Amino acid sequence: ILNVEQSPQSLHVQEGDSTNFTCSFPSSNFYALHWYRWETAKSPEALFVMTLNGDEKKKGRISATLNTKEGYSYLYIKGSQPEDSATYLCAFGTDKLIFGTGTRLQVFP
Amino acid sequence: DAGVIQSPRHEVTEMGQEVTLRCKPISGHDYLFWYRQTMMRGLELLIYFNNNVPIDDSGMPEDRFSAKMPNASFSTLKIQPSEPRDSAVYFCASSLNREVYGYTFGSGTRLTVV
Repeated sequence: ILNVEQSPQSLHVQEGDSTNFTCSFPSSNFYALHWYRWETAKSPEALFVMTLNGDEKKKGRISATLNTKEGYSYLYIKGSQPEDSATYLCAFGTDKLIFGTGTRLQVFP
Repeated sequence: DAGVIQSPRHEVTEMGQEVTLRCKPISGHDYLFWYRQTMMRGLELLIYFNNNVPIDDSGMPEDRFSAKMPNASFSTLKIQPSEPRDSAVYFCASSLNREVYGYTFGSGTRLTVV
């Protein structure tokens, strides 16, 4: 059974702070690691898809790194803004994705 | 592109009734997934299709659940008979080149079984 774990479960930061969270996944038979952003009352939106060890991807103030050998990925948000408040999900798998339970980020002005 | 379209947005039904959830994937996407979201278990994969063919239904909780994809532009998830523990948000997602773009999710159907 594939297990994807995310930490922390929730995070409260002040506007302007930088933050990061972790996704852990099985290191054997790696295929792809996805990050999604999920705002309340909306549906998850894809942020990044990473497939290679050492991958680093960036979209604006948000970036992610991948270590497939040790089975973890970090998501970083630089200079958090209130609009970054959302749940950030990672997902691992081949044809089908197994999702973690997410990190709920709240950014206070 | 209208994205992945799910209907209805909300469904309230009585225990024992049949419920049908509908999904229209993005045109050209060859994978379609049904997920269920609950507070306890997060997003769980129920079943997925590739080119309209069911590939893995190991996540379907019981025989009361069934899913079909009669053509590339339509899929249904049916629960018969429904039970209160089926109450959840059901998401449909589709993908084409998922190693590049990931999945595109619909807005979900919030099902309440009373």
